Amino acid sequence: NAGVTQTPKFRVLKTGQSMTLLCAQDMNHEYMYWYRQDPGMGLRLIHYSVGEGTTAKGEVPDGYNVSRLKKQNFLLGLESAAPSQTSVYFCASSGTGFSNQPQHFGDGTRLSIL
Amino acid sequence: QQPVQSPQAVILREGEDAVINCSSSKALYSVHWYRQKHGEAPVFLMILLKGGEQKGHEKISASFNEKKQQSSLYLTASQLSYSGTYFCGTDPSGTYKYIFGTGTRLKVLA
Repeated sequence: NAGVTQTPKFRVLKTGQSMTLLCAQDMNHEYMYWYRQDPGMGLRLIHYSVGEGTTAKGEVPDGYNVSRLKKQNFLLGLESAAPSQTSVYFCASSGTGFSNQPQHFGDGTRLSIL
Repeated sequence: QQPVQSPQAVILREGEDAVINCSSSKALYSVHWYRQKHGEAPVFLMILLKGGEQKGHEKISASFNEKKQQSSLYLTASQLSYSGTYFCGTDPSGTYKYIFGTGTRLKVLA
């Protein structure tokens, strides 16, 4: 049972390059989330989705785009990477909304932008 | 605004107890607690819903005071495996815009 799988696990980019992070879950969850985690800042919500074909902005959405074309996949895109986007990115999923369902996290993607 | 956790860091000996607090400036409808070990993903511990409390994990329990907008996590008879950073998470607006606390680093020594 894989749970939540993120690819790639590590990546180094140059400023201005673009890339897409992939999140896949095999639990048939409706809700999916992208977070970034910086030292001393905890987890901050970038974008989230409450179902296939839907996306919404979280706390820190600027510079990122997302798509949820299939229920099991949630993609996070950086169109023009900036050094400020150097971070560890976590994807999570939950069966329903936050209140009574835990979030299941992937192992993270460590992204460095030079 | 992020919930504030206290203490920021704590060091314990095996078998000792600890309390981690999570305070919000906004009304809390539910609180989640997670533990994250260095270099790993956060792992769910328990959920506390408005009007009740739920014990979810090992010798770890929690309380939820809606009026004070606070939650506390209680770790009893700590084990080496309890080491890690603990985060509380909330959804103050009910719109799934989850906010996690500032984190508490806990280290248990043998």
